[in-house]
Amino acid sequence: GDSVTQMEGPVTLSEEAFLTINCTYTATGYPSLFWYVQYPGEGLQLLLKATKADDKGSNKGFEATYRKETTSFHLEKGSVQVSDSAVYFCALTFSSNTGKLIFGQGTTLQVKP
Amino acid sequence: SAVISQKPSRDICQRGTSLTIQCQVDSQVTMMFWYRQQPGQSLTLIATANQGSEATYESGFVIDKFPISRPNLTFSTLTVSNMSPEDSSIYLCSVVTDRSDGYTFGSGTRLTVV
Repeated sequence: GDSVTQMEGPVTLSEEAFLTINCTYTATGYPSLFWYVQYPGEGLQLLLKATKADDKGSNKGFEATYRKETTSFHLEKGSVQVSDSAVYFCALTFSSNTGKLIFGQGTTLQVKP
Repeated sequence: SAVISQKPSRDICQRGTSLTIQCQVDSQVTMMFWYRQQPGQSLTLIATANQGSEATYESGFVIDKFPISRPNLTFSTLTVSNMSPEDSSIYLCSVVTDRSDGYTFGSGTRLTVV
């Protein structure tokens, strides 16, 4: 079935380091892809999205490109801040289905000053 | 995007009891969803709440354990029935207005069963 796999965490970085969180998916068809972020004690917030191959989603310095050939949607940021410490979830959905979001397992990012 | 108010934000409950979680949206939405996030884990869809009809449950979730109501296009409730410690999780409601535009989540209900 359809699934999303993320790199295991926690990922620990120093402030201003480069961030990559890997996300790959398995799907029959071409889903829309999302990154959500969950700050400590809060709900999920949409970080960015891409709806078709080669689309690049971006927000708050984060970017991810929809790569159909490698079925990937890796999250990147050039210079992380302490305030970026959170759990990041990669997710997919199909417009033709009932609207269900399928999530990866989440990756915890810890940024140290 | 829609704004969701979810209540309660947290609760500690005795095993064998039930808790009803409310989800209020500030606009009419067609699709509402209930997710569970077990400690340290990802989110799993429990069911889709359909207005005017029974909810659609995912594999592993049953109506007797997680009854859902959807009386109108802005409100839904999820009840966790006959709770056990294994039900300790964060429960989140979610709505979508445009599937390609992402989903909005409530702030969640952190449930602890003792």
